[in-house]
Formats: sequence, structure tokens, C-alpha cells
Amino acid sequence: DIQLTQSPSFLSASVGDRVTITCRASQGISSYLAWYQQKPGKAPKLLIYAAATLHSGVPSRFSGSGSGTEFTLTISSLQPEDSATYCCQQLAGVPLTFGGGTKVEIK
Amino acid sequence: EVQLVQSGAEVKEPGESVKISCQGSGYSFTNSWIGWVRQTPAKGLEWMGNIYPGDSDTRYSPSFQGHVTISADKSINTAYLQWSSLRASDSAMYYCARRGATLEMFDYWGQGTLVTVSS
Repeated sequence: DIQLTQSPSFLSASVGDRVTITCRASQGISSYLAWYQQKPGKAPKLLIYAAATLHSGVPSRFSGSGSGTEFTLTISSLQPEDSATYCCQQLAGVPLTFGGGTKVEIK
Repeated sequence: EVQLVQSGAEVKEPGESVKISCQGSGYSFTNSWIGWVRQTPAKGLEWMGNIYPGDSDTRYSPSFQGHVTISADKSINTAYLQWSSLRASDSAMYYCARRGATLEMFDYWGQGTLVTVSS
């Protein structure tokens, strides 16, 4: 199985800060990586797919980059509504796997 | 508007069976894979398997193969996840999600179905 390791597992930042979350794959997955946002009691929502493509309707402050084994999700200017858990997923190999998640808190 | 609507919460005892559902609307249900994902506090999000409703082609994660059955009824745009003998460890939130056309993401998710297994 392809393991995905996210870091950090928790971060606290202020409104307006630039935030970066990393997802590392245990083997190369090309660009078959998606990022999701999940708020408490809600289903995950797709933010980014193919490592860097913004899903329809997602604010442009979210961006993704990377390929192979190292990927990043960046929020360019953190907003109060961005308080959530962020999770990466690889779709290169079966079984599909998810990272452990990064909880983002607003200071 | 693409929507996936899941059935309501279930409370069962160990050894019982249950079948939860996921009804799609707003798109061609037969032409998109539907996946099932388990979420627990301990293990986070886990992919269980996918089904292609058009021909019922089904793929399972090895971790869930043999313990759950994924099926679909394309006449009513509905996918199912079922257990014949529940365990306490099956207690979790279960989501269905549509796999996007390029297969590079799950682009729409159901609201989740909470399954609680307790004696």
C-alpha cells in the first residue's frame, strides 16, 4: 500500500497568514493526488485534484503543488472559515489511501 | 446540481446485518464510479471500494474484501454498502463519494451514514 504522511498534524495560525501543509508519499504517484477540507460533522470537500488543479468553486487562495512523492497545499491568506482538517489522498494505486490529516486552527 | 443522499443512521448489535444506501442525482449515475469511505477517529479516512453502476464492476480494498458487499441498482440511481455480520469495530461514519470523470478525485460526497454496533 502507498502510505501518505502529512505534516504538521496540527497548526495554529492567524488570519492573513500563509499556511503550507505537506503530504509525502511512500512511493512515486506522479500527480495523482487530491486535497480535501473537512469541517466537524461534515463530509470532506474536494479542494484540489491532480496535485495542482483547483476544483470548481474553491477560492483561489488555495493552491497545490508537487509531483512524485512530495506535495504541498498552500493557503495564501488564511481566513476564519478555513478552520478545518485538511487531508490528502492518492489515487495512483489500489488501495486508494488518505493521509492522516492536518487540523488548522485560527489563533 | 450533483447530489449524493445517504440513508439514515443505524444502530445494530454484533452479528446483525445492515445495508446502507447512497442515491445519486443531477448527473448520469451509470457513468461514474461511486466509492465508499470509512471514517473513524482512530484510523481517519479509509477507502473501502468502488462500484461502476453501469455494469456493476466492483473493486475492493483488501482490508475490506470479504467483510462488506458493495452493489448498485442503476434503475433507481442507488449504490449500497452492506454487512452480513457486523462487528463492534464496524462502528464508524460511512461516506459515499463520486469519483470524477478523470478518476483523479472524489468530487462529490454524500452527507455520511453513522453506523453504531453495540450490544
